[in-house]
Amino acid sequence: NAGVTQTPKFQVLKTGQSMTLQCAQDMNHNSMYWYRQDPGMGLRLIYYSASEGTTDKGEVPNGYNVSRLNKREFSLRLESAAPSQTSVYFCASRGTGTGAYEQYFGPGTRLTVT
Amino acid sequence: GQQVMQIPQYQHVQEGEDFTTYCNSSTTLSNIQWYKQRPGGHPVFLIQLVKSGEVKKQKRLTFQFGEAKKNSSLHITATQTTDVGTYFCAGPSGGSNYKLTFGKGTLLTVNP
Repeated sequence: NAGVTQTPKFQVLKTGQSMTLQCAQDMNHNSMYWYRQDPGMGLRLIYYSASEGTTDKGEVPNGYNVSRLNKREFSLRLESAAPSQTSVYFCASRGTGTGAYEQYFGPGTRLTVT
Repeated sequence: GQQVMQIPQYQHVQEGEDFTTYCNSSTTLSNIQWYKQRPGGHPVFLIQLVKSGEVKKQKRLTFQFGEAKKNSSLHITATQTTDVGTYFCAGPSGGSNYKLTFGKGTLLTVNP
C-alpha cells in the first residue's frame, strides 16, 4: 500500500497562476484533509472532507477550493496564486472505527509563488 | 476558538540528555494525539491518549495526559540523534473528532 500520495512534490508559480494539488489514499479512509505548514506556525487546516460527497472549511480556507473526486481522491485548487500561499501543503486521511482517530499524512508539496 | 499551545518552541540537547515538551489546551479534550516530523519529512502519528491521567510508554518516550484533560507532555529519556525532529500535539477541534487543532510544535535538535 502506498498510503497517501501527493503530486507534485515541488512547484513554482507566478503570482496569478492557478494550479491543482492532487492527493490520493489507498487505505479506504472516509475523511481527508488539506493542511498548510509555514515556519513557526504548525499545521493549519485549509479544508477537509469528513466523507465522500462533503467538504468543509478549516481554519484558513481563503484563496483555496477543494474537490472530493471520489473516496480515494481529494484535490486542492489555487485559482489565483499569491506569494502568501508559498508554503508546504500536506494532505492527510483518517479512517473510522473505535479510537481510529489518527491521521496519515502524505509527503507534501512544496509550493513557491513568486 | 480552541487553542493548543506547546512549549518550548525549540530545544537543543546533548545526546544522552532528557527532553520534555509540554502541550496545553484552552479547552478540555476528549483525546490528545502526538506526531513527529523529521526534518524535510511529513508528520507521523506517534500515539493517542484518551483517559484522564493516562501514561503510555514507547521505549524511551513517555506520554502523559493531565488529570483535567487539558494538558499533556512528551518526555524522551536519553535522547539519541534519531530523535531529532519537530514534535506536535493535537486535539479534536471544536468538539469534532474529524478535525484536529495542532500545536505549533517543539523542534528538538540533538548534538552528538
